[in-house]
Amino acid sequence: KNEVEQSPQNLTAQEGEFITINCSYSVGISALHWLQQHPGGGIVSLFMLSSGKKKHGRLIATINIQEKHSSLHITASHPRDSAVYICAAMTGNQFYFGTGTSLTVIP
Amino acid sequence: NAGVTQTPKFQVLKTGQSMTLQCAQDMNHNSMYWYRQDPGMGLRLIYYSASEGTTDKGEVPNGYNVSRLNKREFSLRLESAAPSQTSVYFCASSDNSPIQYFGAGTRLSVL
Repeated sequence: KNEVEQSPQNLTAQEGEFITINCSYSVGISALHWLQQHPGGGIVSLFMLSSGKKKHGRLIATINIQEKHSSLHITASHPRDSAVYICAAMTGNQFYFGTGTSLTVIP
Repeated sequence: NAGVTQTPKFQVLKTGQSMTLQCAQDMNHNSMYWYRQDPGMGLRLIYYSASEGTTDKGEVPNGYNVSRLNKREFSLRLESAAPSQTSVYFCASSDNSPIQYFGAGTRLSVL
């Protein structure tokens, strides 16, 4: 049983498409974290949110605390967005990670 | 600014060998973490340290030991490596906020 579930597992999009990645969690959280893992393996933080919506460039993250659900949106997708996107739920001192969504954006 | 530095980047071990993965952060963070990442499993917490001098088990601690040497450094030791420990290992740190900063990872193969 995973405390954090992501969908889809794999996603292929044409350049320019609007992309949505979903994350559902079953634990009570203090915050939710979206991460990006590059093809080379490095992991970077994209967003941390505990309510509402955050936007950074072409990336938008939303969270619905009542429904225990978060989404990551990418507008006007680009091949350089190709990566694995991971959501992580923080509860107490621990993080629970989804298995990631592998995104490939084709030119 | 270095952030979180892990060494080595790659390692191949034979079954039964021991090794220590090193992690250092220069952000004065209190909390440090060791994860392993396996295909289809996501990141799983091995051990964490909420502050200097304290360590706690995570989800998959068996076969590992850790040392929080000081505030900067948090090492992960495999005393007797097994093929099941073939994985990519990530160290991370945080200042007790939900933002974690990750190292570049160590790819370990145990033959």
